[in-house]
Amino acid sequence: QVQLQESGPGLVKPSETLSLTCTVSGGSINNYYWSWIRQPPGKGLEWIGYIYYTGITNYNPSLKSRVTMSLDTSRSQFSLRLSSVTAADTAVYYCARVGPTLVNGYNLWGQGTVVTVSS
Amino acid sequence: QSALTQPPSASGSPGQSVTISCTGTSSDVGGYNYVSWYQQLPGKAPKLMIYEVSKRPSGVPDRFSGSRSGNTASLTVSGLQAEDEADYHCSSYAGSNNLVFGGGTKLTVL
Repeated sequence: QVQLQESGPGLVKPSETLSLTCTVSGGSINNYYWSWIRQPPGKGLEWIGYIYYTGITNYNPSLKSRVTMSLDTSRSQFSLRLSSVTAADTAVYYCARVGPTLVNGYNLWGQGTVVTVSS
Repeated sequence: QSALTQPPSASGSPGQSVTISCTGTSSDVGGYNYVSWYQQLPGKAPKLMIYEVSKRPSGVPDRFSGSRSGNTASLTVSGLQAEDEADYHCSSYAGSNNLVFGGGTKLTVL
């Protein structure tokens, strides 16, 4: 079955850029929206944004100035870059899939990866 | 867009029913039939339980049901079981291809 796996550094220094990759295995990237969602310690989920399989992106307005998402269909991977991080960006970061429309609900999630922002 | 409002906690005894609310605005919950609910067990990724307000994905027990009235959506868990103890998160479409989540509710089975 289709699985998602996040990867990337677990520790990022303040003011630097957080970079994560999600690898899609067992299925196609086509016809889905691929998202990043994060969860600060002890708090609720926060939607970061999505990249559609065509490469179209949309980001949470509160993070838009710092977020970039990209897609590598040849490797079945999509990535997140979050610039100028602060301690408030410390969270578990999940990659997730929704489709065929954005409102179908996220029915596939990665296991999550912990990212800590600290010097 | 602001986060949707959920009560921090809810509880019920085995066999009882419990309802968790999710309050937004006419720009999100009240404006679209696109509310989803997720169950998150400790240390695990969220699991989709309800989408489009009241639809259940395959494999989700019919003890879980969703509804909406005005700007407030609700998740009802009937016939509570110990395994239902988890955090529950709501989300809604918020227009312009944006989504918004709630703060989460911790459900305790007494």
